[in-house]
Amino acid sequence: AQRVTQPEKLLSVFKGAPVELKCNYSYSGSPELFWYVQYSRQRLQLLLRHISRESIKGFTADLNKGETSFHLKKPFAQEEDSAMYYCALSPLGSGGSNYKLTFGKGTLLTVNP
Amino acid sequence: DAGVTQSPTHLIKTRGQQVTLRCSPKSGHDTVSWYQQALGQGPQFIFQYYEEEERQRGNFPDRFSGHQFPNYSSELNVNALLLGDSALYLCASSLATGQGWFLGEQFFGPGTRLTVL
Repeated sequence: AQRVTQPEKLLSVFKGAPVELKCNYSYSGSPELFWYVQYSRQRLQLLLRHISRESIKGFTADLNKGETSFHLKKPFAQEEDSAMYYCALSPLGSGGSNYKLTFGKGTLLTVNP
Repeated sequence: DAGVTQSPTHLIKTRGQQVTLRCSPKSGHDTVSWYQQALGQGPQFIFQYYEEEERQRGNFPDRFSGHQFPNYSSELNVNALLLGDSALYLCASSLATGQGWFLGEQFFGPGTRLTVL
């Protein structure tokens, strides 16, 4: 069974401060991990995925298989980063993902001026 | 391209009724997935359709069924509605690529808010 845990429901930081949103997972096979973001009154959208190793909007996330974690980090938070963030997992095959996503419950990030 | 579209936006039903939700995928996409998002929870995978067949299914009862049409649009049907079915229902589309069953990035629609009284 797949499981994704986001331990913080709410996270509040000041502009310019570092931010880390935690995500832990459990899955017996090879996982692909994602971070999705939902800004106010917008639809859910992909922020980044561990396979692409990209940095999007200054956010990075490293898959730590030993700790089964995929924490999202940004060195200097901006007010426009305020949003709901979801960590998600999908089984990964030899050719890619089948996007049978299991989501965590989400963390609401507020960046204060 | 309007992206993934869903209809209706909101819906109110009573217990025991049946409901049909609709989804049109992003242009060029051939795979549709449905998710249920209860209040305060992350989305939960219901099922996924490709080539008019259900390819994957989450842990949902048979009351939840779906269909995909030749134009790739999809419907989600829920029979014998329960109060607990009240949720935001999300549709997501993607393009199957490569050999086997692997997908490109998934794009989400705005959702249909279902309230069961």
